[in-house]
Amino acid sequence: AQTVTQSQPEMSVQEAETVTLSCTYDTSESDYYLFWYKQPPSRQMILVIRQEAYKQQNATENRFSVNFQKAAKSFSLKISDSQLGDAAMYLCAYLDTGTASKLTFGTGTRLQVTL
Amino acid sequence: DTGVSQDPRHKITKRGQNVTFRCDPISEHNRLYWYRQTLGQGPEFLTYFQNEAQLEKSRLLSDRFSAERPKGSFSTLEIQRTEQGDSAMYLCASRSAWNMGGYTEAFFGQGTRLTVV
Repeated sequence: AQTVTQSQPEMSVQEAETVTLSCTYDTSESDYYLFWYKQPPSRQMILVIRQEAYKQQNATENRFSVNFQKAAKSFSLKISDSQLGDAAMYLCAYLDTGTASKLTFGTGTRLQVTL
Repeated sequence: DTGVSQDPRHKITKRGQNVTFRCDPISEHNRLYWYRQTLGQGPEFLTYFQNEAQLEKSRLLSDRFSAERPKGSFSTLEIQRTEQGDSAMYLCASRSAWNMGGYTEAFFGQGTRLTVV
């Protein structure tokens, strides 16, 4: 079974600074997707960024980028120019490409953004 | 389209009572998923439907849990004889099946927070 590990329960960053959230995963599959979701206090999760395992190029979405290291099974999220609205729980997730396409989540990193 | 909606948002129930939650997916999405999230944990997969067929159930889904999706539209999740350990956020997500372009995004509802006292 696949597992996703987020070893940083909480992180803090100053506004306008850069922060990196770490995520590692374990799988025997070669074809899969990885995601970062943002879960604000209202709890509705929003997709931040996704990475297809077959793509070597790291995904980027505006201020959000990932560092995908397939051999190391590492998938970190970098948030540049942090804003107060970035404060939330960030969940790393793995998707198998099998029939169910269910997501396996890590335990999350709660990000605080300070002035 | 207003996205995935879940009802109720909060539910407090006494131990031993039955509860039912509802999820209305995005209308054109044929896949619907239920997840459970306890405090300090990430969401865990419970079950999923493709149209009206329930295709997979997690071993987390004990026989006290049942889910339905009649006519492939909304879905209900019922918990019978609730226990304190059932206290959690129950999340629903929907998406289209895979297409030629690859994975299609899953959209989540705001969840139903269940508290069993």
